[in-house]
Amino acid sequence: GESVGLHLPTLSVQEGDNSIINCAYSNSASDYFIWYKQESGKGPQFIIDIRSNMDKRQGQRVTVLLNKTVKHLSLQIAATQPGDSAVYFCAEMGMDSSYKLIFGSGTRLLVRP
Amino acid sequence: KAGVTQTPRYLIKTRGQQVTLSCSPISGHRSVSWYQQTPGQGLQFLFEYFSETQRNKGNFPGRFSGRQFSNSRSEMNVSTLELGDSALYLCASSWTKANEKLFFGSGTQLSVL
Repeated sequence: GESVGLHLPTLSVQEGDNSIINCAYSNSASDYFIWYKQESGKGPQFIIDIRSNMDKRQGQRVTVLLNKTVKHLSLQIAATQPGDSAVYFCAEMGMDSSYKLIFGSGTRLLVRP
Repeated sequence: KAGVTQTPRYLIKTRGQQVTLSCSPISGHRSVSWYQQTPGQGLQFLFEYFSETQRNKGNFPGRFSGRQFSNSRSEMNVSTLELGDSALYLCASSWTKANEKLFFGSGTQLSVL
């Protein structure tokens, strides 16, 4: 399959701290990137997206950073809350009319009270 | 506004049977995508439809098929089920023709015994 395999790293943070979740994407031709949050028993929930002509985009308590030179994407969550505990996926899409997202393997975020 | 609705939520089948899963996209969305999620392979692209046309298909055997209706609702079918088809099947819809900001449903959990 095209998705990265089983390895699921875990990030444990203290409530109120900032979280940084990293993702290495695979295709240098990808020009659209998106972060999803998935809670147990639910489908992925859209968090934030960014196009390749930007290197930073901010949302409510979240910031996405894109470094095309090293094909790296990160999601920063400010003042992490217990409700942020979930698995986070990055995904990439090429504007080559493939219309499909290629997902990373995900990172589990655990927020300690 | 209702989100992406998938039915049924859970399904148990035996090997050799076939199954049909249903997806109703967000009102006004004309693009529908299907993904398979398993612990071993993560999220993998199955196929994508826009205005009743399949624009792309992932690397899955011909036992996996789908279609989209004129009201944008979509179905996917898996014939001759195998144990390895056990997975969470996710449907997603997008407002844009380029499939940006895909919104996912909660999925259909298929178990093949």
